Amino acid sequence: QLQLQESGPGLVKPSETLSLTCTVSGGSISSSSYYWGWIRQPPGKGLEWIGSIYYSGSTYYNPSLKSRVTISVDTSKNQFSLKLSSVTAADTAVYYCASVYSSPRGVLDWFDPWGQGTLVTVSS
Amino acid sequence: QSVLTQPPSASGTPGQRVTISCSGSSSNIGSNTVNWYQQLPGTAPKLLIYSNNQRPSGVPDRFSGSKSGTSASLAISGLQSEDEADYYCAAWDDSLAGEVFGGGTKLTVL
Repeated sequence: QLQLQESGPGLVKPSETLSLTCTVSGGSISSSSYYWGWIRQPPGKGLEWIGSIYYSGSTYYNPSLKSRVTISVDTSKNQFSLKLSSVTAADTAVYYCASVYSSPRGVLDWFDPWGQGTLVTVSS
Repeated sequence: QSVLTQPPSASGTPGQRVTISCSGSSSNIGSNTVNWYQQLPGTAPKLLIYSNNQRPSGVPDRFSGSKSGTSASLAISGLQSEDEADYYCAAWDDSLAGEVFGGGTKLTVL
């Protein structure tokens, strides 16, 4: 079955760029029914959607993060990536990647499955 | 401040039925389907209910979802100690062109 695994540095300095990669196994990232998404969760807080990408490169971003976020896809490696620039302590969170079902209406729907998550701490 | 509103906490005793509400607006719940996620302590969220009331394979039928207008609910019957977790509702928001989550409800089994 589909599995996702996040990877990347666990510590990023303020003002620098956070970079994470999600590797998809057990299925193709080029599947027509799915987008691929990033969600984060600050310690002790709730979930926040960051953005999602289709294998063609089409993206949706959270408006509150859009100016700092870039999500890209590498179909040859079955991976997609997140870059978040100009980070501050407020960006400290567990970052999850997930498969996102795309409904026939063209909107993103449920996230399933999720990766195990990776904690990224922003600190000097 | 989350776009979808959930009570921060809920509780019940083993065997009881509990419900968790999720309130939104015409641009999210009113226009799109609602999904629910269960997050057990120290683990990643897991899809619990999709398309308002559908259970993924492996989810017990003790869990059920419903939607009416701009609100949705998650019901858990025959409450068990292993149901103690955080529960999140989510939906697509047409105005924001993005996915929105509720703030989460911490369920305690007394």
